[in-house]
Amino acid sequence: AQSVSQHNHHVILSEAASLELGCNYSYGGTVNLFWYVQYPGQHLQLLLKYFSGDPLVKGIKGFEAEFIKSKFSFNLRKPSVQWSDTAEYFCAVNRYSSASKIIFGSGTRLSIRP
Amino acid sequence: DVKVTQSSRYLVKRTGEKVFLECVQDMDHENMFWYRQDPGLGLRLIYFSYDVKMKEKGDIPEGYSVSREKKERFSLILESASTNQTSMYLCASIRGTGGSDTIYFGEGSWLTVV
Repeated sequence: AQSVSQHNHHVILSEAASLELGCNYSYGGTVNLFWYVQYPGQHLQLLLKYFSGDPLVKGIKGFEAEFIKSKFSFNLRKPSVQWSDTAEYFCAVNRYSSASKIIFGSGTRLSIRP
Repeated sequence: DVKVTQSSRYLVKRTGEKVFLECVQDMDHENMFWYRQDPGLGLRLIYFSYDVKMKEKGDIPEGYSVSREKKERFSLILESASTNQTSMYLCASIRGTGGSDTIYFGEGSWLTVV
């Protein structure tokens, strides 16, 4: 079965620490990859996405992600986190041309200590 | 900016009640979704609608139905609510139909069934 794995369920960091959230998926071929973020009390919103070209993708608020095809991974990174990055982060993968086929990971809750 | 509005943010309903969750989007998107978000399970697709009166079952349609009478409005119906339907429900819409398109989410409706 298709799956998207986010192994870290809850990550706690201090401000200014570096962040890397893991995301792995279980199938080969062409994929579209996404990271969505949900800040407390707000709607889910797109952080960044990859569908072709440069495997290093830059998103909003200083986030970036690297698509490594050989590792089936799309890890999210930020060199220095801020308290305002406290949120839940969802990785998502779509291997089809239909938007209805997107699969979301279980989410990683990020807590930043001031 | 795209706005997806879910009219009810917090609801408490009794077992067996019929529940309507309403969603409106203001960007003339043809495609709309209903997801369910549960801790540790991420987002799971309940139903997808690709046009007025057109719908497609998602991964967990049992116990739910939907209605799309107008392009901007997509309703989720729980015919007879049960306690295992206590959850956060997310409505979403999308501009295109491709696998790389961005999904726009509403703020969510927290439903508690007692």
